[in-house]
Parts: sequence; C-alpha cells; structure tokens
Amino acid sequence: DQQVKQNSPSLSVQEGRISILNCDYTNSMFDYFLWYKKYPAEGPTFLISISSIKDKNEDGRFTVFLNKSAKHLSLHIVPSQPGDSAVYFCAARGAMGGSQGNLIFGKGTKLSVKP
Amino acid sequence: DSGVTQTPKHLITATGQRVTLRCSPRSGDLSVYWYQQSLDQGLQFLIQYYNGEERAKGNILERFSAQQFPDLHSELNLSSLELGDSALYFCASSTLEGQGGAGAFFGQGTRLTVV
Repeated sequence: DQQVKQNSPSLSVQEGRISILNCDYTNSMFDYFLWYKKYPAEGPTFLISISSIKDKNEDGRFTVFLNKSAKHLSLHIVPSQPGDSAVYFCAARGAMGGSQGNLIFGKGTKLSVKP
Repeated sequence: DSGVTQTPKHLITATGQRVTLRCSPRSGDLSVYWYQQSLDQGLQFLIQYYNGEERAKGNILERFSAQQFPDLHSELNLSSLELGDSALYFCASSTLEGQGGAGAFFGQGTRLTVV
C-alpha cells in the first residue's frame, strides 16, 4: 500500500504560469516532507522541504504547502520556466520499524513547461 | 554534480547472474542509502549503512546484499538475477545517521538491464 501518492503522472503548464504539484500521504507519523527534482539520466536533486510543524516553506520561486489535517502537500512553482521541466518526486520521512528516518517516495509527476 | 559517484552507469547481464554496483559517497558523508526505481515506480528504499554498519532495511530481497567498507564506499550485490530486477539503482549519501531536512544527495544511478 502506497504511503505517499502523487496521483498526477504528468502536468503541462505554460511558461510564466503557476505549476502546482500535489502529493497525498497516509501516515500521520511522517515528520518531514521533501520535494526532489529529477532530470533524465541524472539522480534526484533536493529542491525544498517542510517540517510537519509548519504549513508553508518558501524558497525563491518554490513554495511548499502542508495541510496536515488533509494529509496533503503541494509544491507551487511561480513563475514556471522551461528549465523546470523534470520529474518531481514527493518524499516523506519518518521512523518506521527501526529505520533512521528513511525516505518514502511517491511515483513522481512529470512537469512540462511549454515556452 | 552531487558528489556521489556510482559505477557502472549501465549494466546488461543475463538472468541468473550476479552483479556488483558501487557507490562512493560525498566526502565526509557517513551514511549511504540504496534505492531501486523500477519502471513507473517511485524510488524504493533498499538499505542504509552508517559508518560501516547496517542501519536500516527496506524492501530488499534476500538475493540482494550490501556492505560499506572502511573507506565508506558501498557495494550493492545482486544475485540470481531475474528479469524483474531490471531497474535504476540509486545510491545516496548524507552526513547524518538519518536523512535530515535536505534529505540526501543522490548519485546518477546505475541502470541494470537483465535479459
């Protein structure tokens, strides 16, 4: 059973507009949420994170919102640029079964930003 | 460049064979994580080592094993390979025993194809 879900496999947005990527989770014990970006033939790179005690974290064009009651987080990219075209993974961290806070990833959303 | 080096980048082998994937973490990082990404799947956590000792196990098959050496590089051994083992295998490293707010830094991955 997937604990972190990204229900949209793909998203297409016009350059300059807002991109909103969504992520749902089921485990209320997760204490940190992260977004990773992945270009083809490269490993995932860390983008932005948010602690479960906050509801918003902003870094330049990227903002992550956390709604704990809904077990939902979203990544907003404003304005979107063609270079943002990549696969975005949502990940959650939580201690499970003796692990040390390893990450549980969603399946990813492929974002395409059209010029 | 994340500073995490994985070799080889590509590997093609036959069913039933055994392969070894290698990972050199970022300088100073003591934790090494292995993840598997199968087609259309998110990254699945396999195993973590911290300073030479196994710290956490995820969905790692008994046919798979790993170790971290005194120089902190790590190897993932996959044996009795099956077609379903074809995937991207990522190594990640972090300074902390657990993955902190910035998660971990990922290598470019090894693409394993079992034929």
